[in-house]
Amino acid sequence: AQSVSQHNHHVILSEAASLELGCNYSYGGTVNLFWYVQYPGQHLQLLLKYFSGDPLVKGIKGFEAEFIKSKFSFNLRKPSVQWSDTAEYFCAVNVVGKSTFGDGTTLTVKP
Amino acid sequence: DGGITQSPKYLFRKEGQNVTLSCEQNLNHDAMYWYRQDPGQGLRLIYYSQIVNDFQKGDIAEGYSVSREKKESFPLTVTSAQKNPTAFYLCASSRRTGTSSYEQYFGPGTRLTVT
Repeated sequence: AQSVSQHNHHVILSEAASLELGCNYSYGGTVNLFWYVQYPGQHLQLLLKYFSGDPLVKGIKGFEAEFIKSKFSFNLRKPSVQWSDTAEYFCAVNVVGKSTFGDGTTLTVKP
Repeated sequence: DGGITQSPKYLFRKEGQNVTLSCEQNLNHDAMYWYRQDPGQGLRLIYYSQIVNDFQKGDIAEGYSVSREKKESFPLTVTSAQKNPTAFYLCASSRRTGTSSYEQYFGPGTRLTVT
């Protein structure tokens, strides 16, 4: 069975700081990878996804993630965070229709 | 407006009663999912269905049951056998092609409190 590990439970940054959230998964075969975000009071929504091809994927609001197959990692990055990025971020893996989510990382950006 | 509807937003039940949570989607998605979200534990998969009249257990299916009689509907029943039913329940749906599943679209959730 697959599993997902997110390294940071709570990250606090000042505006304009760079962000990297770690995500590792365990599964030896082909996976589909996702980052979702939940802004305060809103539904969970897709930030970006990786299915195949270029391992560097770009998402909404300036986020990007890099799939490193040898490290089973799919880390999320943003060069300069804004106060509006304050939210909870979830990494997820889908294997043949079954989805597994990480425990989530709460990001707080101080103005 | 296309999307996923979950009702009600808040639900209160007495211990020992079964309760059914509604989930409807008008996105024409084949796959639907139920998750439970507890503080600090992320989303845990309860059941999922990739096609009408078929569903599979997720990681924490004990004490729950589902049906998928229509493409747009995937109700979840929390039975009295579920030891710790108080939680926030999220429904989601996605397109699928073969063995690949696309991104999931989530509903607003139902907060169930059992006393």
